[in-house]
Amino acid sequence: DADVTQTPRNRITKTGKRIMLECSQTKGHDRMYWYRQDPGLGLRLIYYSFDVKDINKGEISDGYSVSRQAQAKFSLSLESAIPNQTALYFCATSDSSGRAVNEQFFGPGTRLTVL
Amino acid sequence: GENVEQHPSTLSVQEGDSAVIKCTYSDSASNYFPWYKQELGKGPQLIIDIRSNVGEKKDQRIAVTLNKTAKHFSLHITETQPEDSAVYFCAASPSGNTPLVFGKGTRLSVIA
Repeated sequence: DADVTQTPRNRITKTGKRIMLECSQTKGHDRMYWYRQDPGLGLRLIYYSFDVKDINKGEISDGYSVSRQAQAKFSLSLESAIPNQTALYFCATSDSSGRAVNEQFFGPGTRLTVL
Repeated sequence: GENVEQHPSTLSVQEGDSAVIKCTYSDSASNYFPWYKQELGKGPQLIIDIRSNVGEKKDQRIAVTLNKTAKHFSLHITETQPEDSAVYFCAASPSGNTPLVFGKGTRLSVIA
C-alpha cells in the first residue's frame, strides 16, 4: 500500500552493527505495528503502538527496540544485529476509529540480511 | 493468548479448480477473522474478512466461512486463475484493542 512506506527496502549489514528501519504513513492512522516474516513461520509481531505515547511488546521483542516519533512515524531498531535477525520486516497501520478497527494495512517490507 | 493454526502450508491446484484453506483458533473471545494475500515482493493485502456475527461472506470468487462452535474458519477460492498464486494468511483478533494473530501462511500455486 503506497500510503505506508518503509525505508530502506533492502539492507545488508554485519553482525554487531546497529540498524534502524523506518516506517511512515499518510493514512492518518493512530496505530502502528512491526512484524517479522520468516519462511514457514508467518508474520510474528515484534512491537506495536496504539498512539504516540504508547509502546507495547509483541511476541518476539527481544533484541529489538522501537520509537514512535510522531503519529505518522514508527521506527524499529536492532541495537546489535545478529544473523538470526535476517528476515523480511513489515510495518502496518490501523485506525482505532470507525467500524474496521482491526483492519491492518501493510507496507512493502524491508529485506534485512545480517552477515 | 490467541493461537492460530493454518493448513495446508502449500497447495497446488489446476486453473479453474477450487482452493480451500483452513484455519483454527484457540481464543473463544476472538470476533474478527481477516484473510490476507501476499504477492511476491509485496506486503500482505486484505482480501476478505468476517466478523463473528455472520457465518459466511462472499466477494465474487472468494468466500469465507466461520464456525464459532468449532473455532475454525476457511477461505474458499472458486474458478482459480494464475493470478491467484500467492501466499495467503489467516488471522484472528479477540477485540479491537488486541493486535491480529496470524497463521503461518499457505503458498497457493495455480497451474495453468
